[in-house]
Amino acid sequence: GAVVSQHPSRVICKSGTSVKIECRSLDFQATTMFWYRQFPKQSLMLMATSNEGSKATYEQGVEKDKFLINHASLTLSTLTVTSAHPEDSSFYICSARDLAYTQYFGPGTRLTVL
Amino acid sequence: QKEVEQDPGPLSVPEGAIVSLNCTYSNSAFQYFMWYRQYSRKGPELLMYTYSSGNKEDGRFTAQVDKSSKYISLFIRDSQPSDSATYLCAMSNGGATNKLIFGTGTLLAVQP
Repeated sequence: GAVVSQHPSRVICKSGTSVKIECRSLDFQATTMFWYRQFPKQSLMLMATSNEGSKATYEQGVEKDKFLINHASLTLSTLTVTSAHPEDSSFYICSARDLAYTQYFGPGTRLTVL
Repeated sequence: QKEVEQDPGPLSVPEGAIVSLNCTYSNSAFQYFMWYRQYSRKGPELLMYTYSSGNKEDGRFTAQVDKSSKYISLFIRDSQPSDSATYLCAMSNGGATNKLIFGTGTLLAVQP
């Protein structure tokens, strides 16, 4: 099956710093990747849709200047949480869509902002 | 009303039981239906993918879609303790953006 990786799997940072999370499709090309956020015991909340070579499309209520998304190649998308605050602490998950329009998810990144 | 409704559980069954997980939805434009399994603190793993109405079987798993009733199901036969996880239904209309709309997930515990 298709494999999507995320790095890092866990990060702890101080308030005010920026954190970058990478999402890679390892064995297929993904023109579209998605970024989700998940709070404990809740379902996934779509944050943004990332298209290779173009600007990301953000969901309503998601601050695009705070959550910077770059999709520079067909196998890599990055999410940068800028000036992170404790309320940004969450589980961030990416997915990559293959040519059959199936989404495969990464293992997630747990962000803790102190 | 949410677009996708799913009983959050928890659902506890003995090992070997048949498990039935369900979702209802309100958007008749949904054409693609998926079931994901998520272990604690891990990303969702695609289990079943179905287009339109009908049944699909893969090993111990069977997915059913009834578009007329806007109702989808996942059956797990001979359930195992390793099946203990949260099961998320997801669906989309297959449009250009292909956004998935998720249910809240059902927490399943299979007791040995």
